[in-house]
Amino acid sequence: DTAVSQTPKYLVTQMGNDKSIKCEQNLGHDTMYWYKQDSKKFLKIMFSYNNKELIINETVPNRFSPKSPDKAHLNLHINSLELGDSAVYFCASSLRGRDYGYTFGSGTRLTVV
Amino acid sequence: DQQVKQNSPSLSVQEGRISILNCDYTNSMFDYFLWYKKYPAEGPTFLISISSIKDKNEDGRFTVFLNKSAKHLSLHIVPSQPGDSAVYFCAARPLGNEKLTFGTGTRLTIIP
Repeated sequence: DTAVSQTPKYLVTQMGNDKSIKCEQNLGHDTMYWYKQDSKKFLKIMFSYNNKELIINETVPNRFSPKSPDKAHLNLHINSLELGDSAVYFCASSLRGRDYGYTFGSGTRLTVV
Repeated sequence: DQQVKQNSPSLSVQEGRISILNCDYTNSMFDYFLWYKKYPAEGPTFLISISSIKDKNEDGRFTVFLNKSAKHLSLHIVPSQPGDSAVYFCAARPLGNEKLTFGTGTRLTIIP
C-alpha cells in the first residue's frame, strides 16, 4: 500500500520521559511535515523537511527534535515530556511545487500522564 | 492570530440536500486553498483545491468557490450523502511556500 505510515498509533507515557514517533512515506514525495492537533482541534505545523533539509521550523520548544535520515522518513523525538504535549501528532508528505496538498498519516495520539 | 477561520463548528444537513461549508482568511498572501476531510482516528484526506486565479473548481459532487475580495471560500457538496459525515478543514498557503495553515474544522453530519 502506498501511504504515509506513522508509529505508534497510541502512546501513553509519564511526564519527564523521552519518546519518539516514527514516520515513513512510500509515495516518492520529497517533503515531509509534522503537525500537532491540540485539544482545541487546531492543526498547527511544527516542522518540515525537504530532501532531508529543514525548511520550516515553527516556534516549538527545543525539547522537540525532528530527524530525517532520508527523504522517505521523518521522525520526531520529544525530550522531557510535559502534560501540555498531549495531542495528536500527524505526519504528512508532499511533492514540492505540486498543487495537490499533503498526504497525511493516521496520527499518533500522545497522552502524557 | 488565526489566519484561517471556520466559524461554524458544526453543521447538520438532510441527505440529498446541499451542504455549504464556509471558510474565511485574513492573510492576503494566501494564493492556494484546499479542503480536507477527516474521519475519526484517521488523518485528513485531500478533497479539492483552488488557485487564487480561479473563482470556482468542481470535482463531481464537490465544488469550491473563492471570493478573493471578501477573503472567503466555500465548499458545496450536492447531493449530500451519509458518507460525507466527517470534519472538514479549510487550509491555505502563500505562493511558493509549502506551509499550510488550517482552520479549526467544521463537523458535518448528514441526516438520513
